[in-house]
Amino acid sequence: SQTIHQWPATLVQPVGSPLSLECTVEGTSNPNLYWYRQAAGRGLQLLFYSVGIGQISSEVPQNLSASRPQDRQFILSSKKLLLSDSGFYLCAWSQGQYNIQYFGAGTRLSVL
Amino acid sequence: GESVGLHLPTLSVQEGDNSIINCAYSNSASDYFIWYKQESGKGPQFIIDIRSNMDKRQGQRVTVLLNKTVKHLSLQIAATQPGDSAVYFCAENTSKGQNFVFGPGTRLSVLP
Repeated sequence: SQTIHQWPATLVQPVGSPLSLECTVEGTSNPNLYWYRQAAGRGLQLLFYSVGIGQISSEVPQNLSASRPQDRQFILSSKKLLLSDSGFYLCAWSQGQYNIQYFGAGTRLSVL
Repeated sequence: GESVGLHLPTLSVQEGDNSIINCAYSNSASDYFIWYKQESGKGPQFIIDIRSNMDKRQGQRVTVLLNKTVKHLSLQIAATQPGDSAVYFCAENTSKGQNFVFGPGTRLSVLP
C-alpha cells in the first residue's frame, strides 16, 4: 500500500533562516505531488504541485520554492524565512483518473 | 480558487444526534467531489467521494448528497460521536482536472 511521509513534524526557525521540508511517497510510481499551507483555523492554500521529476507549478507568488529531485520526493524550501511563513504545511500525493489527494501528517512551522 | 481567507464556520451537535455539514461549490463543470476530515494537528483524511452521475452515496455512518442544480454538497453523519470532532472539507474537481478546489471547511464540535 502507499504511504506518505513528511518531516519534521514541528519546526521552530528564526526569521531570515533557511528552510527545507521533505516529503516522500512509498508504494507507487510517478505520483502527482502537492504542497499546501494552512493558517490556523483556515482552509488549504495550494502552493506547488508537480506531475513529474523536475516539473514544478507554482500557484501563488511567495517566498518559498519547491523541487522534485526524485520521482517520489518533494521538497519545500526557502532561503530566508519571513514571519508570515508560519503555518501548517501539508504534502499530498495523487494518482489516477480522479486524482484523489492523500495527505501527509503535516509540519507545523513557527517562524520567530 | 481556495477560500483560504475565511475563518471556519462551526457546527455544534449533541453526541448521538445526526450532523449535516454543507458545502456550496462554484464550478458547474465539476463532476467529482470528495469530503475530507481533518483532526487537530493532522493531515486531512479521505472520507467519501461521489461522482456527478449520482445524487447520493452512503458509507459507514456517513452519507453524501449532491444537488447539481444548486451546486450544493452535504455530508451527513449519523449518531455523531466524540471522535467525529474535526474540521470537514469538501473538494471539487473535474474528471480531467489536475487539482482539487477545497472549500473553506466546517469545524464540527460534538457536545457530551
